[in-house]
Amino acid sequence: AQTVTQSQPEMSVQEAETVTLSCTYDTSESDYYLFWYKQPPSRQMILVIRQEAYKQQNATENRFSVNFQKAAKSFSLKISDSQLGDAAMYFCAYSSLLTGANSKLTFGKGITLSVRP
Amino acid sequence: GAGVSQSPRYKVAKRGQDVALRCDPISGHVSLFWYQQALGQGPEFLTYFQNEAQLDKSGLPSDRFFAERPEGSVSTLKIQRTQQEDSAVYLCASRDKTGGYTDTQYFGPGTRLTVL
Repeated sequence: AQTVTQSQPEMSVQEAETVTLSCTYDTSESDYYLFWYKQPPSRQMILVIRQEAYKQQNATENRFSVNFQKAAKSFSLKISDSQLGDAAMYFCAYSSLLTGANSKLTFGKGITLSVRP
Repeated sequence: GAGVSQSPRYKVAKRGQDVALRCDPISGHVSLFWYQQALGQGPEFLTYFQNEAQLDKSGLPSDRFFAERPEGSVSTLKIQRTQQEDSAVYLCASRDKTGGYTDTQYFGPGTRLTVL
């Protein structure tokens, strides 16, 4: 079974600064997807960014980018130019590509990010 | 178009009561997932539907939990004889394609269940 670990329960960043959220995972599979989801206090989970394991290039979405280290099974999220609206809980998630896995998501425990004005 | 909706948003039940939680997925979405999120934790998978077929219910914690999607659209998660440990937020997510692993799961706002 796959596991996702987010060891930092909380982080804080100054507005306009850069912050990196860490995530490690464990799997015996070679192909899979990794995701970062954002959950604001309203609780609607929103996809931030995703990475296909077979792609060497790190995914980027505007101010959000990842550092995907497949051998180390590490998948960190970098938020540049942090904004007050980035304050939320962030979850790292894994999705298997195996037939029958149905692409259900395995989540980490999450990290609460606060942004200081 | 409209996103995934869930009702009720909040539910308080006395221990031993039965509850039913509803999920309205995005119109036309084939896949539907239910997750359970305990306080301060990440969501955990409960069950998966492809149209009306429940293809995976490996995450349901006990036989008190039952889910259905009879017409392949709206889904209901039912919990019988609720226990305090059932208190959590129940999230529903839908996805467009069955095998489209690049397709995003879109989440609803969740139903917060509190069992007294």
